[in-house]
Amino acid sequence: QVVLTQSPSASASLGASVKLTCTLSSGHSSYAIAWHQKQPEKGPRFLLKLNSDGSHIKGDGIPDRFSGSSSGTERYLSISSLQSEDEADYYCQTWGTGIRVFGGGTKLTVL
Amino acid sequence: EVQLVESGGGLVQPGGSLRLSCAVSGFTVSSRFMTWVRQAPGKGLEWVSVISNGGTTFYADSVKGRFTISRDNSENTLYLQMNSLRADDTALYYCAREGVGSFYFDCWGQGTLVTVSS
Repeated sequence: QVVLTQSPSASASLGASVKLTCTLSSGHSSYAIAWHQKQPEKGPRFLLKLNSDGSHIKGDGIPDRFSGSSSGTERYLSISSLQSEDEADYYCQTWGTGIRVFGGGTKLTVL
Repeated sequence: EVQLVESGGGLVQPGGSLRLSCAVSGFTVSSRFMTWVRQAPGKGLEWVSVISNGGTTFYADSVKGRFTISRDNSENTLYLQMNSLRADDTALYYCAREGVGSFYFDCWGQGTLVTVSS
């Protein structure tokens, strides 16, 4: 069964850029994933769906500062021009027949 | 505008039951795969259950045999019947809509809190 692995934490300065990583388990390099943002006291927010070739579609109203890319079993979420409201937990998500899978999440701190 | 609004959470004793609702607007609940996700205090997101547009259901192993997902097309509402509740079911429960032709969650509700405690 597919497993998603994320680093527990990341940090970057206000105005800088950051790249978060989600790693698919071996043998699942063709899988697409989705990235979601979870801010405190709010419901999750869909950011983008990312295919294995790096093509992606964004959720409604997601700024251009958010983008995705892929390499092998790695799926990336890049955020540029970091703002204070970007401080949140970020989850990757994928799916199989009859199952949906989340990574453990990355807590992003904006310094 | 697409909206998902959960309700029905609350405090329940271990072994008890609760039914969560997710009122949908802006689309018909029967036209899309719909899912429930939960987040226990201090933990990450955990997928709970999904119902396909054809009515097929799937469950996480942690809730299989205790939870039932369903929908009422006339009410345009998704449900989660939770029986034999345990302390580790304590969580914020979210409903979400899945994308067209792909199984990512493209729209989320705000959540409803379930607390299982004596």
